[in-house]
Amino acid sequence: AQKITQTQPGMFVQEKEAVTLDCTYDTSDQSYGLFWYKQPSSGEMIFLIYQGSYDEQNATEGRYSLNFQKARKSANLVISASQLGDSAMYFCAMREGPRSSNTGKLIFGQGTTLQVKP
Amino acid sequence: EPEVTQTPSHQVTQMGQEVILRCVPISNHLYFYWYRQILGQKVEFLVSFYNNEISEKSEIFDDQFSVERPDGSNFTLKIRSTKLEDSAMYFCASSEDRTSATQYFGPGTRLLVL
Repeated sequence: AQKITQTQPGMFVQEKEAVTLDCTYDTSDQSYGLFWYKQPSSGEMIFLIYQGSYDEQNATEGRYSLNFQKARKSANLVISASQLGDSAMYFCAMREGPRSSNTGKLIFGQGTTLQVKP
Repeated sequence: EPEVTQTPSHQVTQMGQEVILRCVPISNHLYFYWYRQILGQKVEFLVSFYNNEISEKSEIFDDQFSVERPDGSNFTLKIRSTKLEDSAMYFCASSEDRTSATQYFGPGTRLLVL
């Protein structure tokens, strides 16, 4: 069965520094997708970045990058130059690959709360 | 930029009452989902919907829950007889297809059952 593990319940980072949020996953699929979402205190889920299992390059979106290590089944989110507005809960999620039985649902990890200190 | 919308943003109801949560997915999307997040916990999948029928549902999605796409734009989640433990944030999401790079979430409906 699919599983997403985020082992850091809470993290602190100094403003302007980089921070890595850990995510490991377990799946028997060869094809799958990995996502990171940000959830600020207001509650909405904001899509940050996506990595496909067959993508050779690590995904990047502005200050966000995904450190994808397929053999280790890890998909860590790196936020560079942290800003106060980055303080939020961050969720890693996985979607199964395109088998006919797969419906595209996302499986989420427990989340990591990031606090950016001024 | 197109977005998923949800109404109401907050709902307070008495235990045993029926509630209907509404969502308008992005217009060209074909796959629709409901997720639930109990306060402080992870986001959990409830149900996926495609071609006017449920394609998958989780163990949480019991007989008290139903979904419907009544008019080609709205996508609703009905809880027939709410329980205290149904108190949670409910998210609607949509995607172009089931392997799409992005699944877009609505802002959520915060449901409180008293």
